[in-house]
Amino acid sequence: KQEVTQIPAALSVPEGENLVLNCSFTDSAIYNLQWFRQDPGKGLTSLLLIQSSQREQTSGRLNASLDKSSGRSTLYIAASQPGDSATYLCAVRHGNNRLAFGKGNQVVVIP
Amino acid sequence: DTEVTQTPKHLVMGMTNKKSLKCEQHMGHRAMYWYKQKAKKPPELMFVYSYEKLSINESVPSRFSPECPNSSLLNLHLHALQPEDSALYLCASSHVGRRLRDTEAFFGQGTRLTVV
Repeated sequence: KQEVTQIPAALSVPEGENLVLNCSFTDSAIYNLQWFRQDPGKGLTSLLLIQSSQREQTSGRLNASLDKSSGRSTLYIAASQPGDSATYLCAVRHGNNRLAFGKGNQVVVIP
Repeated sequence: DTEVTQTPKHLVMGMTNKKSLKCEQHMGHRAMYWYKQKAKKPPELMFVYSYEKLSINESVPSRFSPECPNSSLLNLHLHALQPEDSALYLCASSHVGRRLRDTEAFFGQGTRLTVV
């Protein structure tokens, strides 16, 4: 069974600092990995998709890396802003079109 | 357009009521999903439809009844729910096929369901 772990569960950083969020998964047989953002009580917004054959994906201030063999992904958010405060979820797509989610990294950026 | 639209946004229902949640997408996706999310927890998969046929049912109680009337619409019919079924219900869609590594999931804003 695919298990996804996100560390740390929660973190607070001052505005302007870079954010580093970690995601690990137990079964390296994945199709892709997706990072989402979720604001309280809202749906999930897709941030980045990394295919299993890719090592890195970038969008604006966001950069995600993938090391499939070691079962790890890292999301970097450069120069954090208060508007980045949210929960960030990592999900891996594996067998039979399933998405397995981590429990999320709850981020607070302090002005 | 990468939008998945869910209605209603909020729903309060009694344990004897029958209600339905609706989900719509126009991205040409042929896989549609229902997830349930409790507070401070990750989304939990309930159902997957692939090409309008139910392909995954994660042992969901029969008081939840999914329906996919066409490739753009997904419904979740609710009947005789319990207070513990109160949660955020999320719909998602994606392409389906051989290129699963390209498959990006798009989620709606959810329906906040309260069972009283």
